[in-house]
Amino acid sequence: SQQGEEDPQALSIQEGENATMNCSYKTSINNLQWYRQNSGRGLVHLILIRSNEREKHSGRLRVTLDTSKKSSSLLITASRAADTASYFCATVLSGAGSYQLTFGKGTKLSVIP
Amino acid sequence: DAGITQSPRHKVTETGTPVTLRCHQTENHRYMYWYRQDPGHGLRLIHYSYGVKDTDKGEVSDGYSVSRSKTEDFLLTLESATSSQTSVYFCATAGGPPEQYFGPGTRLTVT
Repeated sequence: SQQGEEDPQALSIQEGENATMNCSYKTSINNLQWYRQNSGRGLVHLILIRSNEREKHSGRLRVTLDTSKKSSSLLITASRAADTASYFCATVLSGAGSYQLTFGKGTKLSVIP
Repeated sequence: DAGITQSPRHKVTETGTPVTLRCHQTENHRYMYWYRQDPGHGLRLIHYSYGVKDTDKGEVSDGYSVSRSKTEDFLLTLESATSSQTSVYFCATAGGPPEQYFGPGTRLTVT
């Protein structure tokens, strides 16, 4: 079963606006990761946040994690047309070996020039 | 991309035939994974490997087998393909850090 669930399923914004995607999960995690997938391509790792962290930044990306609510959000600031892609959260469960990831179903982001 | 290739990139096969997909990496990563991606389901783990000859099942392993005889190669075999195995298959690898690196995918159609 899916550990993470992204919300919304689809998001359409104008270039320059901020995009926020949310992820909820069900069980205790070791870390949570966000990946991007451009149409027809493989996934690319964006950012990782550990269970003892609350916020992390990487360029125009800001990720927050609230373990009490079992939720995370990904904020992309000043969006660009090139940010058009699907975004997935993935969790590594506490105590899980082999770095197994459980993915959500993704948010499809469209940035309109 | 972290030196991960998948072959073939596209394949059409008939129900009941065996199919083998290959994943090759040049990063010397210890861990390798096979996922399938279907509309409405996101990515689901089929099998993974944590070393040469060390493999284990994932969430959707029924109908699939894997082998890893060398660090760089991870094979996924569909013993007798079914239409429900029509999907896009992704290979991924991981070294020490927990983030994974994905291959370009193989689009498999079972008719």
